[in-house]
Amino acid sequence: EDKVVQSPLSLVVHEGDTVTLNCSYEVTNFRSLLWYKQEKKAPTFLFMLTSSGIEKKSGRLSSILDKKELFSILNITATQTGDSAIYLCAVEWYSGAGSYQLTFGKGTKLSVIP
Amino acid sequence: KAGVTQTPRYLIKTRGQQVTLSCSPISGHRSVSWYQQTPGQGLQFLFEYFSETQRNKGNFPGRFSGRQFSNSRSEMNVSTLELGDSALYLCASRLQGAGGELFFGEGSRLTVL
Repeated sequence: EDKVVQSPLSLVVHEGDTVTLNCSYEVTNFRSLLWYKQEKKAPTFLFMLTSSGIEKKSGRLSSILDKKELFSILNITATQTGDSAIYLCAVEWYSGAGSYQLTFGKGTKLSVIP
Repeated sequence: KAGVTQTPRYLIKTRGQQVTLSCSPISGHRSVSWYQQTPGQGLQFLFEYFSETQRNKGNFPGRFSGRQFSNSRSEMNVSTLELGDSALYLCASRLQGAGGELFFGEGSRLTVL
């Protein structure tokens, strides 16, 4: 069975800390890995990774994919209270007949305290 | 442009009833997916529709069904509600059936009493 595992499931840090969130996967016919941030209701897109070793950056957030070891990490430097959210990892894979499906991990709940 | 719109935002039902949730995707998006989110299980895939055809289906019982209309709007229906159906139901759309990000709606919070 295809699966996506995120760790840790929850994390509490102080403002200014650096955090690393992990996502490992076991899927067949991998296409891409995506990271989302969910603050209240609607998850919002952060990154899409398709190639190993190429870091994607957006401000204080960065992410990298290792297709050989089947994992990705999401780094957040100099955390702020506004980074408090659930971070979701999703893997897109080919499900046949020309269609693709996303499988999500359970998420990492990050709490940043002042 | 307008985002993904889901209605209703909140609803309360009792066991045995049925419910219909609606999703209007971003204009021009032809793919609509539905997910169930609960604290213990995270986001679980329900089904995906593309050009009015169901392309993928998750591991949910037949009580969960959906459809897509010619204008790409989608509905999902849950019949004979159970307490365990209480969840946030998220709809997401994207331009094609593969590649690129999903754009999520705010969700419909269903509580079953």
